[in-house]
Parts: sequence; C-alpha cells; structure tokens
Amino acid sequence: GAGVSQTPSNKVTEKGKYVELRCDPISGHTALYWYRQSLGQGPEFLIYFQGTGAADDSGLPNDRFFAVRPEGSVSTLKIQRTERGDSAVYLCASSLLGASPLMGELFFGEGSRLTVL
Amino acid sequence: GNSVTQMEGPVTLSEEAFLTINCTYTATGYPSLFWYVQYPGEGLQLLLKATKADDKGSNKGFEATYRKETTSFHLEKGSVQVSDSAVYFCALISPGGSEKLVFGKGMKLTVNP
Repeated sequence: GAGVSQTPSNKVTEKGKYVELRCDPISGHTALYWYRQSLGQGPEFLIYFQGTGAADDSGLPNDRFFAVRPEGSVSTLKIQRTERGDSAVYLCASSLLGASPLMGELFFGEGSRLTVL
Repeated sequence: GNSVTQMEGPVTLSEEAFLTINCTYTATGYPSLFWYVQYPGEGLQLLLKATKADDKGSNKGFEATYRKETTSFHLEKGSVQVSDSAVYFCALISPGGSEKLVFGKGMKLTVNP
C-alpha cells in the first residue's frame, strides 16, 4: 500500500486477555518502529526492528509485551494478560534506515487504539 | 537522558494570526531536531527538521531554527490557516544511536476562520 497500515484501528478487550496488533509498513522500508501514545502525551518508543531482528527493544515496559517481524515486513505487537494501564494508541512507523539525510524521517500509521476494560 | 519540553496547549488562534510553539530539549551531544504534525484523522507526519546548529528547517510556511546556545527549536508561522489545525510534536534523535525519536507531549492548535 501507499502508507503504513495498522489493524485493528480500535480494539476493546477485557483485563487479562491477549491482544495482537498488526502493522504493515511501506514497501521497501527496512526499519519498523512501535510507539505507544497515552492520552495527553507524546509517543513513547517501544521497539524498533532492522529487517527481521529487534535492534532496540529498550522501550518495552515489561515481559507482557512482545513484537515480531518474521519476514522483515509485517510486524505484530503482542500483549499478554492486558491491564487497564495498557490502554493507549499504539503507533507503528517505518523508515529507510541508514540513509543519513533521511534519519528521523518516520512514516506513521494512524494507530491502533486499545482499550482495556 | 534525552527529553523534549513543549509549551502546553491547547491554543486557539484566528486565521492569519502569527504562531509560535516553543520547544526546548535536553540531550547528549548534538541531536537532530524535528517537528511532526498530526492532522485530525491522520497519522503523524514529518513537518520539518534540522540536523545541526543554526540550520533552519522550513515547510508549508512553517520554520524552525536549531539554536544550540538556547537548546531550542521553536516552530513559527507568520499567518496560520484553518487547515493548520492539528497537534504539533517536537522531537529529537540523539547521534550515534538508533532512529529512536524522543517526542514532546504535543500541542493542539485550533485555527478559527
């Protein structure tokens, strides 16, 4: 597609349930990022992939959060045993990593809004 | 650690008013600085950037100058339009690391006709 696609756009779940959020990046973009945006806050970094591997997962809040990108394209963010505090908009972005003049030029999807009841 | 501080909103202006959104940063070394914008119903998108001191980024009538001496990157526009209504985020990337953007909290701007 032309842009970064995220599904679902909205997800309502109950506390303790398992959730998967999907991101389809721009074709050809080698780097993929997940951010989390809580109400009234800026996006907070979670994890970034370079190809298939997680190059930096320092932003994942705890071991309930996990992300994969098995073929270097689509990525899935997985949240186990969801808690009410996980409610937020989860943003995915992609970029052409390594092209210095383009450093920091991320293309974001519209986000997946997760509500944990 | 690295951080970005933006002026708090929300802000409401009339069309053709002058806009300034303040942004200051704390970072090790010399970061690259960015303004991202989120229009209603859309994803975040890059508005402009500056990669070294005294650089000026500009786009769509917006400008911001990288001021190392004041660690600032204030966003300005001389005459706002209704279509500029959006949330504006200042952000930085530290040199030598991954492309891990650190964002400010964002400021919501509403421009009335």
